[in-house]
Amino acid sequence: DTAVSQTPKYLVTQMGNDKSIKCEQNLGHDTMYWYKQDSKKFLKIMFSYNNKELIINETVPNRFSPKSPDKAHLNLHINSLELGDSAVYFCASSQDLRTSGTQSLNYEQYFGPGTRLTVT
Amino acid sequence: AQTVTQSQPEMSVQEAETVTLSCTYDTSESNYYLFWYKQPPSRQMILVIRQEAYKQQNATENRFSVNFQKAAKSFSLKISDSQLGDTAMYFCAFIDYYNTDKLIFGTGTRLQVFP
Repeated sequence: DTAVSQTPKYLVTQMGNDKSIKCEQNLGHDTMYWYKQDSKKFLKIMFSYNNKELIINETVPNRFSPKSPDKAHLNLHINSLELGDSAVYFCASSQDLRTSGTQSLNYEQYFGPGTRLTVT
Repeated sequence: AQTVTQSQPEMSVQEAETVTLSCTYDTSESNYYLFWYKQPPSRQMILVIRQEAYKQQNATENRFSVNFQKAAKSFSLKISDSQLGDTAMYFCAFIDYYNTDKLIFGTGTRLQVFP
C-alpha cells in the first residue's frame, strides 16, 4: 500500500550512459514532481506535471526528460549521464489546490523513497 | 524571488529536552503554506507539521509545535521531550498558494539527539 514508489532505489552507472527512474503514485493525485537533492542535502524542484502536462521545468539540462504516460506515473529519463548528475532524486505527488477552487487544509506533497544515482 | 533560510546547519539536544529550529522566509505573497519536513538517515521525506498563512493559530502535532510570526516571516519548529528517533535532517519549506507547483526548501538543519 505504498503511496509513492520509485524504482530503482539505487542506481550506479558510468558516464555517458542513459538511464531511467520510474515513479508511481496510488493516491489519485493530479500533480507529480521530481526534486533533486545534491551532496549537501539541498533539495530543489526539477519538474512538475499536472494531469500529464508539464507545468514546471526549472532550467534543467535537456538531457533530463520527464515523461508522464498517465496521471499516476512520472518517469525521469537521463541521457549522457555526467558526474554532476550524482544525487538523490525524489518523486512526489499532491492534490492540485487550484482545481478545487477552495483551500485544502491538508495540502501536502507526498515523497517517494528517493533514488540514489551514482555516476562513475 | 521567494527564499527560505535556515541559519542553523547543526543542532544538538539531550533526550527529553526541548529544542527550537529556526526558519525565515521571504515572499511578497499573502497566501501560502509553510512546512517542516524530517529526513532521517533512511532518507525518506516525512511531513512533520504544516501551517497555513491565513491561520493565526500556531500548528501543533503532539511534541512538535511551530511559532509562526507572519509579519516577521519567521517559522520556527519546537520539539518537546526530544527522542532519539528525532535525530534527522529537518527542512523548512514554503509553497505559494497561487503557484502551488513547487516547494521551496531551506538548506536544512541536522539535529542530533543525545541519550
